[in-house]
Amino acid sequence: EVQLVESGGGLVQPGRSLRLSCAASGFKFGDYAMHWVRQAPGKGLEWVSGIAWNSDTVAYAGSVTGRFIVSRDNAKNTLFLQMRSLRPEDTAFYFCTKDKVPLLNAVTHFDNWGQGTLVTVSS
Amino acid sequence: QSVLTQPPSASGAPGQRVTISCSGSDSNIGSTPVNWYQQVPGTAPKVLIFINDQRPSGVPDRFSGSKSGTSASLAISELQSDDEADYYCAAWDDSLNGWVFGGGTKLTVL
Repeated sequence: EVQLVESGGGLVQPGRSLRLSCAASGFKFGDYAMHWVRQAPGKGLEWVSGIAWNSDTVAYAGSVTGRFIVSRDNAKNTLFLQMRSLRPEDTAFYFCTKDKVPLLNAVTHFDNWGQGTLVTVSS
Repeated sequence: QSVLTQPPSASGAPGQRVTISCSGSDSNIGSTPVNWYQQVPGTAPKVLIFINDQRPSGVPDRFSGSKSGTSASLAISELQSDDEADYYCAAWDDSLNGWVFGGGTKLTVL
C-alpha cells in the first residue's frame, strides 16, 4: 500500500524558514516524479512544485519561485520542501503527491496523496 | 483567481445526473489532458478521472469525463449522498510550466 506521510509543519513567523518532509513507502520511490500541492484553509488546491525521479528537472509555481526549493533523497525515500521568506499567504495544508510517471510531464496525474501538514505563517 | 474556471457550486437530487464544467485556455486544456480530483472535506484529494476520460480502478462508471477544445466536463450520474465533495479539474500549463487547478466545485446532494 502506498503511504505518503508529511511532517515539519507548524507555526512560523513571517520571513522565517521551514522545511517539510514527506516519507514515502509502499512503492519504488525513485521511479516516480513527486509534487507538493497546498490548500489554504477553506480554499482550493494550488500546485506548488514538482521534481523528476532523478532530480534533474524541477518546477515551481510563480508564487513560490525563488523562495521554495524542492529536493528528494531516493536512498531515504523522502521528498523535501525548503521554504524561505515565508509570507502569511503561504499558510496552508501542504500535501505530498506521487506522480504516475518518472518525469515532469503533461500526460499524467497525481495518483496518491498524503494527508498533509499544516503550515501557519503568522506573527 | 484560478487559471482554470469552475462553477463554485453544483447540486442535484439522489439518482439525478449533474455536470461540472472546467474552462481553460490554449496553453492548458487546449493542449494538454485534464484530470479531475475529488476531495471530501477534511481528507486528502483522490484522482477521479485522468487524461480526460480515464477512470482509475475502483472509481464507478457513474463518473465520466470529457474534453472539447479549451473546456472539459465531469459528469456524475445516479447521484448518491456520498458523492458530496469538492471537485477540482487540473491540467499542465505549457506557458506557466506547471500544473494549474480549477477553483473547485462544491457538490451538494439535495
